[in-house]
Amino acid sequence: GAGVSQSPSNKVTEKGKDVELRCDPISGHTALYWYRQSLGQGLEFLIYFQGNSAPDKSGLPSDRFSAERTGGSVSTLTIQRTQQEDSAVYLCASSPGQVPNQPQHFGDGTRLSIL
Amino acid sequence: DQQVKQNSPSLSVQEGRISILNCDYTNSMFDYFLWYKKYPAEGPTFLISISSIKDKNEDGRFTVFLNKSAKHLSLHIVPSQPGDSAVYFCAASGNSGGSNYKLTFGKGTLLTVNP
Repeated sequence: GAGVSQSPSNKVTEKGKDVELRCDPISGHTALYWYRQSLGQGLEFLIYFQGNSAPDKSGLPSDRFSAERTGGSVSTLTIQRTQQEDSAVYLCASSPGQVPNQPQHFGDGTRLSIL
Repeated sequence: DQQVKQNSPSLSVQEGRISILNCDYTNSMFDYFLWYKKYPAEGPTFLISISSIKDKNEDGRFTVFLNKSAKHLSLHIVPSQPGDSAVYFCAASGNSGGSNYKLTFGKGTLLTVNP
């Protein structure tokens, strides 16, 4: 597709379950980012990939959060043993990555609700 | 510690008039600034950006002004249209290793343009 694609668009799960969120970036974009937006807040950086490597994981809130990227394309964000405070919209973005000062382009997000 | 601040949670203007959205930042390492527009249930859409070497960038009805000494930027929309009604996010990044990443976002301003 032409834009960043995320799935699922909505996910409702019980506390303690694991969830996996998927991001398919714009074709050819080597940089990929995950953010989350909690209610009433701005977007919060989670992790950055350049190719398959993650040089900056500083935004991951706990060791229950992990992410990987394979083939320089699709990325998955995994949250283990979900807690209610994990409820948020998880947004993925991509950018060309090799040129400085390029805007990041976002998908529509996954709205995660933990019961 | 909020490094990017949008002090007005909401703004209401009449169709045809100018909308001015403001943003302040504290981190002097920021050198690239962006505005995103977000409709409900959609991801943020890139609107316009400005590098710190400039003080103005214009794209159609949208102009961004940067005042580095005041660490302040603003987005002007003129004339405002009802379709501009959305949440506007200010974001900033510092150039690191030749690629921008890790956007820091404000909490957003809800713009309502009344017909």
